[in-house]
Amino acid sequence: EPEVTQTPSHQVTQMGQEVILRCVPISNHLYFYWYRQILGQKVEFLVSFYNNEISEKSEIFDDQFSVERPDGSNFTLKIRSTKLEDSAMYFCASRRGLAGGNIQYFGAGTRLSVL
Amino acid sequence: AQSVTQLDSQVPVFEEAPVELRCNYSSSVSVYLFWYVQYPNQGLQLLLKYLSGSTLVESINGFEAEFNKSQTSFHLRKPSVHISDTAEYFCAVSERAGGTSYGKLTFGQGTILTVHP
Repeated sequence: EPEVTQTPSHQVTQMGQEVILRCVPISNHLYFYWYRQILGQKVEFLVSFYNNEISEKSEIFDDQFSVERPDGSNFTLKIRSTKLEDSAMYFCASRRGLAGGNIQYFGAGTRLSVL
Repeated sequence: AQSVTQLDSQVPVFEEAPVELRCNYSSSVSVYLFWYVQYPNQGLQLLLKYLSGSTLVESINGFEAEFNKSQTSFHLRKPSVHISDTAEYFCAVSERAGGTSYGKLTFGQGTILTVHP
């Protein structure tokens, strides 16, 4: 069964460093998302991406964040200068199209630890 | 904007007992509703969804949820739980197709279901 793949599973970085979280969505999907879950808190929407541009972003997704689909398979989230409060589990999700409801498939997540 | 409230942060039950995990939502527009499950050290897996039609939806492993529009609820139930159902369960909502914010999922806080032998 096709699945969303995220790498790495755990990323440790120093405050102020740049990190890139990588995702390979399901191959025929067209809509891509990043969510994050700070320990003990809700899963929060960060950004949605379609047709090589951002469709919607949350207040959390400030200038420190960017997303990119550099080729036909990868979807990346970059945090330019990490802060302690960026420590969280980051989930990538993808959806096939408009038909059939907003059914999103999630990856296993990348745990980001900022020291 | 939507919001989701899961009224119980933790629900301990014994094996073979029934369980209900409560979810209420708030939205000014029509919505789709979802339950996702997260097993330890794994990602979010779609458990079941309400898109349209029958208000009672079922999963392949015995869970069911009923959409109640008047009470704005989408509670998850199982008549007899197993040890393997131990996980965290998330209720989520999104606008229906055509909405300005279609696509974004808004999640509840999650409910940790622990099934004891």
